[in-house]
Amino acid sequence: SQQGEEDPQALSIQEGENATMNCSYKTSINNLQWYRQNSGRGLVHLILIRSNEREKHSGRLRVTLDTSKKSSSLLITASRAADTASYFCATGYSGGGADGLTFGKGTHLIIQP
Amino acid sequence: DSGVTQTPKHLITATGQRVTLRCSPRSGDLSVYWYQQSLDQGLQFLIHYYNGEERAKGNILERFSAQQFPDLHSELNLSSLELGDSALYFCASSVSIQRSSGANVLTFGAGSRLTVL
Repeated sequence: SQQGEEDPQALSIQEGENATMNCSYKTSINNLQWYRQNSGRGLVHLILIRSNEREKHSGRLRVTLDTSKKSSSLLITASRAADTASYFCATGYSGGGADGLTFGKGTHLIIQP
Repeated sequence: DSGVTQTPKHLITATGQRVTLRCSPRSGDLSVYWYQQSLDQGLQFLIHYYNGEERAKGNILERFSAQQFPDLHSELNLSSLELGDSALYFCASSVSIQRSSGANVLTFGAGSRLTVL
């Protein structure tokens, strides 16, 4: 079953603006990851944040994690048209073993030129 | 190119038929995961294999089966196909298994788009 839930479902902003997407999850986690999917393509890993970390940066990406609220956010600064994609948060699969990932339904981000 | 190869890219078939989707993991990766992505269900975890053995099962229907071969490639078999099986099927791989939940970073293939008519 899905653990993470992204919000909003869709987001449209102007190029150059910052985009913020949120992810809420239900049960406690050890790690949380964010992935990007360009239309009809495979998912690409962006960043992993551990439960003992509050914030992590990678280039124009900033991820925060609030384990008390069971939520994470992904901020993309100075957005570009190439950032148009769907963004998913992922946590460990709760159904069996520590190995798989379960994904939310994603936030579809559109960057208007 | 992610290094994970999936074939075929597109497949159109009729209800009741059986198809096989193939995945070659990235070189050096021992784990293979299968996911189904549809508009209404999102990305659903189906099954995970590690070095030839089944590690975890997700929302995989009994009509579906998978295996990982000694050369580490994997196949997902879908039988008695229904209209609702139309979806993108992704294979992903990772180097190993991690003890910490959610720590495996997955590398995804480009997917196989299945259309059942």
